[in-house]
Amino acid sequence: GQQLNQSPQSMFIQEGEDVSMNCTSSSIFNTWLWYKQDPGEGPVLLIALYKAGELTSNGRLTAQFGITRKDSFLNISASIPSDVGIYFCAGPTGANSKLTFGKGITLSVRP
Amino acid sequence: DAGVTQSPTHLIKTRGQHVTLRCSPISGHKSVSWYQQVLGQGPQFIFQYYEKEERVRGNFPDRFSARQFPNYSSELNVNALLLGDSALYLCASSWLGQGRDAGYTFGSGTRLTVV
Repeated sequence: GQQLNQSPQSMFIQEGEDVSMNCTSSSIFNTWLWYKQDPGEGPVLLIALYKAGELTSNGRLTAQFGITRKDSFLNISASIPSDVGIYFCAGPTGANSKLTFGKGITLSVRP
Repeated sequence: DAGVTQSPTHLIKTRGQHVTLRCSPISGHKSVSWYQQVLGQGPQFIFQYYEKEERVRGNFPDRFSARQFPNYSSELNVNALLLGDSALYLCASSWLGQGRDAGYTFGSGTRLTVV
């Protein structure tokens, strides 16, 4: 089946720094989604990308849909403590009826 | 408006037992999907229900079943529980359940521990 690869598993940054994380796949995705999950909560959608090459922002977050449609990038600028959490990339498959998720990247922000 | 609500929030069961988890979608949403999230992994798709019928099923054994009621709420049932079934079970609702703008919204999940 289709898989999404995220690495590294954990990232540690200083408050105020920018951070970039990527997601790759051996298969083409027509939509890329980025979610954030806080402890004890379900994933919350941050950004949705629908077109190859698309660059979309949501506050301090910027994400890009790779032109090959096999990757996507998420950038967080000027990190703050509440950015701590697990960041997942996901893509819909199966007539867009189900989401395939990456394993996630745990972000820690040092004050 | 209430988001996706799941109950219970936490549950402890013994191997071999049966469990039922519940989900109420966002008002107006007709599709409910269930996901299993094992610690350290991303959510894994179990199945999706739309208009009270199973539309898509993931790679899970027949011990996992679900149903959707006329009010679009849903129950996930797992029989003959195994230790490996310990996970966070997430429910996601959407209006259509398909299409790139499906707009899935997740609940906070039910944490199931099998001992």
